[in-house]
Amino acid sequence: DAEITQSPRHKITETGRQVTLACHQTWNHNNMFWYRQDLGHGLRLIHYSYGVHDTNKGEVSDGYSVSRSNTEDLPLTLESAASSQTSVYFCASSANRGTGELFFGEGSRLTVL
Amino acid sequence: RKEVEQDPGPFNVPEGATVAFNCTYSNSASQSFFWYRQDCRKEPKLLMSVYSSGNEDGRFTAQLNRASQYISLLIRDSKLSDSATYLCVVKEGPGGSYIPTFGRGTSLIVHP
Repeated sequence: DAEITQSPRHKITETGRQVTLACHQTWNHNNMFWYRQDLGHGLRLIHYSYGVHDTNKGEVSDGYSVSRSNTEDLPLTLESAASSQTSVYFCASSANRGTGELFFGEGSRLTVL
Repeated sequence: RKEVEQDPGPFNVPEGATVAFNCTYSNSASQSFFWYRQDCRKEPKLLMSVYSSGNEDGRFTAQLNRASQYISLLIRDSKLSDSATYLCVVKEGPGGSYIPTFGRGTSLIVHP
């Protein structure tokens, strides 16, 4: 069955370290998204991509970067982790930009000490 | 002001009750509307899309009011298993960004 997977599922790191969260989907979806979810804020968009070599900033992109070198993967990198980036991160993909359902990974819980 | 607003609740209802949630959106260019369900510490999953004419899926009914810019979700005959957070999602259409924008969610607790 096609799926979307995130790794690691849990990570603890220190302030200033570089961290990369992986997202891999096997549906061949062009559209991929990274969200963070924090209490009181809901899901906020970090970055998104509509195809290979396409990346765009979302509403909370500062301190994060993504790259899209193939259809299946959209890794999220925190260049220098900060305590404010402690959160649950969700990757999602969709086949259709307009009406398409978003399929989410199980989430990656990141703690920055 | 957030683009998509929801009452966070919690809505605390007994089994068998009918409960309704509203979600308002500020972007008049929004074209696609959805309700997602999120269980505690899990990923969101699509509950239903919301169509202009309104739509029903079993005990769940979704309505869209474009003039007042809100969507609603009605749950009839609530079950314990309906306890979850319900997320409203809107997207712009052709000519727009198609970015899925989420509300903060409405928490529902169904008790025996």
